[in-house]
Amino acid sequence: GENVEQHPSTLSVQEGDSAVIKCTYSDSASNYFPWYKQELGKRPQLIIDIRSNVGEKKDQRIAVTLNKTAKHFSLHITETQPEDSAVYFCAAVFTGGGNKLTFGTGTQLKVEL
Amino acid sequence: DTAVSQTPKYLVTQMGNDKSIKCEQNLGHDTMYWYKQDSKKFLKIMFSYNNKELIINETVPNRFSPKSPDKAHLNLHINSLELGDSAVYFCASSRDIPRFSGANVLTFGAGSRLTVL
Repeated sequence: GENVEQHPSTLSVQEGDSAVIKCTYSDSASNYFPWYKQELGKRPQLIIDIRSNVGEKKDQRIAVTLNKTAKHFSLHITETQPEDSAVYFCAAVFTGGGNKLTFGTGTQLKVEL
Repeated sequence: DTAVSQTPKYLVTQMGNDKSIKCEQNLGHDTMYWYKQDSKKFLKIMFSYNNKELIINETVPNRFSPKSPDKAHLNLHINSLELGDSAVYFCASSRDIPRFSGANVLTFGAGSRLTVL
């Protein structure tokens, strides 16, 4: 069945350092890969997404890369700030059974001063 | 105005009770969802409706029954509540079912924290 694996489950970095979160997916037909950020006690919100016809996408300090052959994609955050502290979820659209958006298990990112 | 609103925000109840969570979106979206987030923060889809039609029904107990009276509303009714039902339930909507086009972005509600004692 559909599966999205996400690593690491927790990540602690110093302010100003970079953070990288990696995900792998099982359905080779998946074509859309969003990333959501969930601050403590808040709702998940989309921060960036990438489609299968693109290898990389950047938005200010955030970038996402996609390797379709290896079926993995990554989130890169540069110059981290305390407000980047949150849980980050990767997700993939599985094209069978209603085009379901399945989330990874989440990464708790902590940016320390 | 809140785009996706769900009520109640907090719900504390006894085992065996029946409860409902309501969700409404004013974005004009065609697709609505219920996700369950457990204590480990896992976000798992439960149901999805597109234009009032059920399109995703994950393996959840039949004690959970969604109802979509129109495409702007998706309510969740839970019978015979159990301890393991304690979680945060998120309603969400998107312009269309997830596909390659730009209709994929999910807008989430603020969540409803259900505690079963």
